[in-house]
Amino acid sequence: NAGVTQTPKFQVLKTGQSMTLQCAQDMNHNSMYWYRQDPGMGLRLIYYSASEGTTDKGEVPNGYNVSRLNKREFSLRLESAAPSQTSVYFCASSEGLLSETQYFGPGTRLLVL
Amino acid sequence: SQQGEEDPQALSIQEGENATMNCSYKTSINNLQWYRQNSGRGLVHLILIRSNEREKHSGRLRVTLDTSKKSSSLLITASRAADTASYFCATDARGSQGNLIFGKGTKLSVKP
Repeated sequence: NAGVTQTPKFQVLKTGQSMTLQCAQDMNHNSMYWYRQDPGMGLRLIYYSASEGTTDKGEVPNGYNVSRLNKREFSLRLESAAPSQTSVYFCASSEGLLSETQYFGPGTRLLVL
Repeated sequence: SQQGEEDPQALSIQEGENATMNCSYKTSINNLQWYRQNSGRGLVHLILIRSNEREKHSGRLRVTLDTSKKSSSLLITASRAADTASYFCATDARGSQGNLIFGKGTKLSVKP
């Protein structure tokens, strides 16, 4: 089992460019999450998907969109990147929304110039 | 909004010593978890303690929870250089729809 995988590992964008961060899990989990981590900060929830077909905003959703493509895949899209979106992005999954343990991917480092 | 706050922000110890990290939170919780993050990697779940539990052990880890003080501590005994990482507490606050809210973390450095 690969667990949670994310692509790409690194990305440099210019302000205004768009991109999609991909995430997939092979643990048959129902719930998936996108977080961002900034220096000296904990993780902040951007969006989550409690189950296939549903998505909800987290703490910091502005500037992002998500798609729960199927049970395995949950993508995060930046339509018009801004320097404030420079961060490390983590995808995570759990069996259910109220299930306790979350499993994290290795992260995507994004630099917006 | 930060629910959990770890203390200290950074901790440096010698191999073999014990490391204690604390977490305080603001609202009632269902459970509290501790995660570890090695530099440049994703978070890894360490241990979960429920609101009706006071203490839990897992290998060299010992977690306590005091709901009256809204605080938890993580003790790593006989630390090793491989324990060098950042440690985060996360709470599953009641009313948060099951989402975890993470603290800012404690950066632990264990010197050989």
